[in-house]
Amino acid sequence: AQSVTQPDIHITVSEGASLELRCNYSYGATPYLFWYVQSPGQGLQLLLKYFSGDTLVQGIKGFEAEFKRSQSSFNLRKPSVHWSDAAEYFCAVGAEQTGANNLFFGTGTRLTVIP
Amino acid sequence: DSGVTQTPKHLITATGQRVTLRCSPRSGDLSVYWYQQSLDQGLQFLIQYYNGEERAKGNILERFSAQQFPDLHSELNLSSLELGDSALYFCASSLAGLTDTQYFGPGTRLTVL
Repeated sequence: AQSVTQPDIHITVSEGASLELRCNYSYGATPYLFWYVQSPGQGLQLLLKYFSGDTLVQGIKGFEAEFKRSQSSFNLRKPSVHWSDAAEYFCAVGAEQTGANNLFFGTGTRLTVIP
Repeated sequence: DSGVTQTPKHLITATGQRVTLRCSPRSGDLSVYWYQQSLDQGLQFLIQYYNGEERAKGNILERFSAQQFPDLHSELNLSSLELGDSALYFCASSLAGLTDTQYFGPGTRLTVL
């Protein structure tokens, strides 16, 4: 069965500092991996996704993520955090089965940015 | 703005009641997904429709049902409501399958008293 683990419930970083949010997945085949961001009172917005190919994926808002099959990880990174990045971040794995496809989300990591 | 609209934004009702949540997908998207977000369960996939047909089912209770209409809008029906059904319900739409980006609506916050 598919599952996603985000070990950090809450992370606090200073504005301008680098950021890494961890995500580990469990899936039998090559997974489809996603990072979404949810700002307070908003729906989810896709930051980036990985299906195959280059394991370093660039996304919107200056985010990137690296797929490491050996570690079953898909960590999200940003070199310099802005105050507007404060939000909840969700990692998700996609399961494409015969005639069906859906996303399994992690529990999320809440990011606080301090000036 | 994702292009996905959900109504109503907020819904307050009593236990035992039935409610209907509505979702209009982005123009051109054929797939609609429903998710439930609660503090104890996190974000969970409920059900997916593709071009009017049910495509995938997740952790959807038997008291809940959904449908997608010919104009591609979708409705999620929740009946015999319980306190534990209080949550944020999101609709998302995509062109078709998993490799297509899912665009999320702003959600409907359901409070069951």
